Amino acid sequence: DAGVIQSPRHEVTEMGQEVTLRCKPISGHDYLFWYRQTMMRGLELLIYFNNNVPIDDSGMPEDRFSAKMPNASFSTLKIQPSEPRDSAVYFCASSRRTPSTTEAFFGQGTRLTVV
Amino acid sequence: GENVEQHPSTLSVQEGDSAVIKCTYSDSASNYFPWYKQELGKRPQLIIDIRSNVGEKKDQRIAVTLNKTAKHFSLHITETQPEDSAVYFCAARNTGNQFYFGTGTSLTVIP
Repeated sequence: DAGVIQSPRHEVTEMGQEVTLRCKPISGHDYLFWYRQTMMRGLELLIYFNNNVPIDDSGMPEDRFSAKMPNASFSTLKIQPSEPRDSAVYFCASSRRTPSTTEAFFGQGTRLTVV
Repeated sequence: GENVEQHPSTLSVQEGDSAVIKCTYSDSASNYFPWYKQELGKRPQLIIDIRSNVGEKKDQRIAVTLNKTAKHFSLHITETQPEDSAVYFCAARNTGNQFYFGTGTSLTVIP
C-alpha cells in the first residue's frame, strides 16, 4: 500500500477563493482524520469519520470549513471562502481499529498558503 | 473531550545525553498512547506506543512509561544522536478512537 495520499502537496491561493484538499486513506482503514498543524496550536483535530460517516466535527473552526467522505477511499476538506489565517499544513490520517493495529498513519500533508 | 498537555515545548541536549518529554491527559478512559516523530517538512510517524494495560515499553534507545493513576506518560530517549533532532508529539486515543495530540516538543541534539 502506498500509504495515505494527499493532494495537492502545496496550494497557494488568494483570499476569498475556494480551496479543496483531497485525501485517499489506506485501503481497509475505517477511520479517517483531518488535522491542521500550526506553530501556535500544534496538531488540531478538525473532524473524523468512521465508515465514511462524520462522527465528530467539533474541531472545525467555522462554517467556512466542510468535509466529506463520499466513499471509503476518498475524502475532501473544503474551505470557502479562504482567509489568510487558514494558512497551515493540513494532514489527513487513517487508522483501522483492531486489537493489534491501532496507530494513525499520516499523509504527507498539504501546505496551504492564503495570500 | 480529551486534553493532552506536553512539556517542554523545546529541548536541547548534548549528543549522548538523555532526553525526556512528558505528557498528561484528562480522559481516564483513554487507552492508547502513541508517540510520533516529525522531521522538518515531513509527516508525523509513529516511533513507539503504549497501551493502558502496560506501565512501560522499551525499543532500543527509546522507552515510554505510563502512570494511569496520575494520567501521565513520558518518552525517554537515551544516548541521543543528531538524527534524533525533530519535533515529537504525544497523543492519547479515547474510546471513540479519536487521537488527541500534544502541542509538540522540538528536540535539538547538539553534536
